[in-house]
Amino acid sequence: QVQLVESGGGVVQPGGSLRLSCVASGTIFGRFGMHWVRQAPGKGLEWVSFIRPDGIDKYYADSVKGRFTISRDNPRNTLYLQMDSLSAEDTAIYYCASYVAAAVGQYCFDSWGQGTLVTVSS
Amino acid sequence: IQMTQSPSSLSASVGDRVTITCRASQSIRTYLNWYQQKPGEAPKVLIYAASNLHSGAPSRFSGSGSGTDFTLTISSLQPEDFATYYCQQSYSLYSFGQGTKLEI
Repeated sequence: QVQLVESGGGVVQPGGSLRLSCVASGTIFGRFGMHWVRQAPGKGLEWVSFIRPDGIDKYYADSVKGRFTISRDNPRNTLYLQMDSLSAEDTAIYYCASYVAAAVGQYCFDSWGQGTLVTVSS
Repeated sequence: IQMTQSPSSLSASVGDRVTITCRASQSIRTYLNWYQQKPGEAPKVLIYAASNLHSGAPSRFSGSGSGTDFTLTISSLQPEDFATYYCQQSYSLYSFGQGTKLEI
């Protein structure tokens, strides 16, 4: 399993920006897709974004489309989430997770980081 | 795709057999995974592709279903199983159920 460590969370004012990072170790990072998943305080899990191993294809939840940008730097084993035009509804713990084939053609969110808290408040 | 779990919360005792249900708003074949999350921790995968036990998950966990209706069963509850459980589909992008909190 890969080890994942997120960073970059903090307090930001509404309308502001923040960039999250997720550093992977223990495996060849460029072999698998990566997700961002968030969890508002006391709430359930919400999928945010996915990027394929080569970094070309990217997908977003409707709630963040046009405001968030996912990217990756495979030689640096790092995943990013650029978050712009933040609002209070974006307040959450943000997790990165690896998307790994548990069997041929059958994928799951295999390894998760510990999460980084983003608070949007004035 | 909307994923709806029932119940939202459940009280049970050690040794009980427990079943949690997940329903998809359209057919997702078997593109369905189950996760367990304990307070203050990240989720962990239990079941992938509806019915396959993930490596490291205890054998008392099992999953079934296809199409729109799925179940997660815990055959004999252990103290460490009290947590929140989520289903997740990957048939069309990705989405999670709202969670089922399993309490003592």
